Amino acid sequence: SSELTQDPAVSVALGQTVRITCQGDSLRSYYASWYQQKPGQAPVLVIYGKNNRPSGIPDRFSGSSSGNTASLTITGAQAEDEADYYCNSRDSSGWVFGGGTKLTVL
Amino acid sequence: QVTLRESGPALVKPTQTLTLTCTFSGFSLSTSGMCVSWIRQPPGKALEWLALIDWDDDKYYSTSLKTRLTISKDTSKNQVVLTMTNMDPVDTATYYCARIKDYGDYVLFDYWGQGTLVTVSS
Repeated sequence: SSELTQDPAVSVALGQTVRITCQGDSLRSYYASWYQQKPGQAPVLVIYGKNNRPSGIPDRFSGSSSGNTASLTITGAQAEDEADYYCNSRDSSGWVFGGGTKLTVL
Repeated sequence: QVTLRESGPALVKPTQTLTLTCTFSGFSLSTSGMCVSWIRQPPGKALEWLALIDWDDDKYYSTSLKTRLTISKDTSKNQVVLTMTNMDPVDTATYYCARIKDYGDYVLFDYWGQGTLVTVSS
């Protein structure tokens, strides 16, 4: 089955830029979507498609893709951005989530 | 306003069958491109996609759990039901339902329920 691989943990200084990546063969055919999850809460969609943000998501969140890698970039990270981030895409047999990246804002 | 709410037992015994219901509002599962999916998350672990049903009643299942899962919908009640047979303690997780919009080369799980914790224990 297809897999999406993410770094388990990433840290960023307050106000700096951080990139969270997601790798997988399915990303050569499908765009990733990105979800933010804070403790005890349901995931929230932050980026989808080529680089689209749902209403209410700050413009410091952006997405990009190249080959088998999708990236979520937070430009000017804020304390409230500390969370787990998951990528997701369609694959050959259904849909798949990455293993998640825990973002710490220092 | 789109909302989804999961309901079902909080505790099931090993080997039992779990039945979860997702009751939604604010959209119709008869509309082209609309789907509802189930996703689970064991405590402290990652999200895992389980199953999806679309507006055309097509059904898709996780390859690893396919033999244990059944998804169905009742459009008139705005409900999607997931059954999972032969429950095991490793199936202990928060189970979420979510609305999916499928645009072909990308999908978005744009609205999620709050999740329901299911514990499998004797």
